[in-house]
Amino acid sequence: EAQVTQNPRYLITVTGKKLTVTCSQNMNHEYMSWYRQDPGLGLRQIYYSMNVEVTDKGDVPEGYKVSRKEKRNFPLILESPSPNQTSLYFCASSLSGYSYNSPLHFGNGTRLTVT
Amino acid sequence: QKEVEQNSGPLSVPEGAIASLNCTYSDRGSQSFFWYRQYSGKSPELIMFIYSNGDKEDGRFTAQLNKASQYVSLLIRDSQPSDSATYLCAVNDFNKFYFGSGTKLNVKP
Repeated sequence: EAQVTQNPRYLITVTGKKLTVTCSQNMNHEYMSWYRQDPGLGLRQIYYSMNVEVTDKGDVPEGYKVSRKEKRNFPLILESPSPNQTSLYFCASSLSGYSYNSPLHFGNGTRLTVT
Repeated sequence: QKEVEQNSGPLSVPEGAIASLNCTYSDRGSQSFFWYRQYSGKSPELIMFIYSNGDKEDGRFTAQLNKASQYVSLLIRDSQPSDSATYLCAVNDFNKFYFGSGTKLNVKP
């Protein structure tokens, strides 16, 4: 089954404790990206990657890191989480970031709470 | 800052009626436009996308795009209670995707 898999689904952590949220897709998609969703603010793009070893900042990259060493994986790293990073996070992929007809396919989400 | 605007709702329609959801965007260079449905606590699911001016139909759904007015809409015909969800408008603009904050739709039996 074609899918984007995120882990974990729920995560509670404390301020300053490094964490990684994994994302993997099995559709051979070139483009992958991370979003956070907060009430009233909608989905905001954190980082995106056009292909292996190519990443770029979205609208809210502060406090996050990403890497794209393999085409299928795009982990999100919070090196020193803070309470304002408490949010619902989604990983998504698409065939191409350029193409007109390449919609995003979303993972199931990770609900992160930082205390 | 590129913006995608949606009325937050809730938009309430009776079962069987047409629901009309609207979205405006700020950047004339935007290339393609997407409608997603999101149930509470779940991930967004693609309904349809459009990139040419005019209408595009898929079953009970019709997307309408007017690039001159920077406006995109989604019509849902014969609305069902199962259509009750938040509908997100998204815009693709040179490798980045921008989302509206969504319109909540309630379809009353």
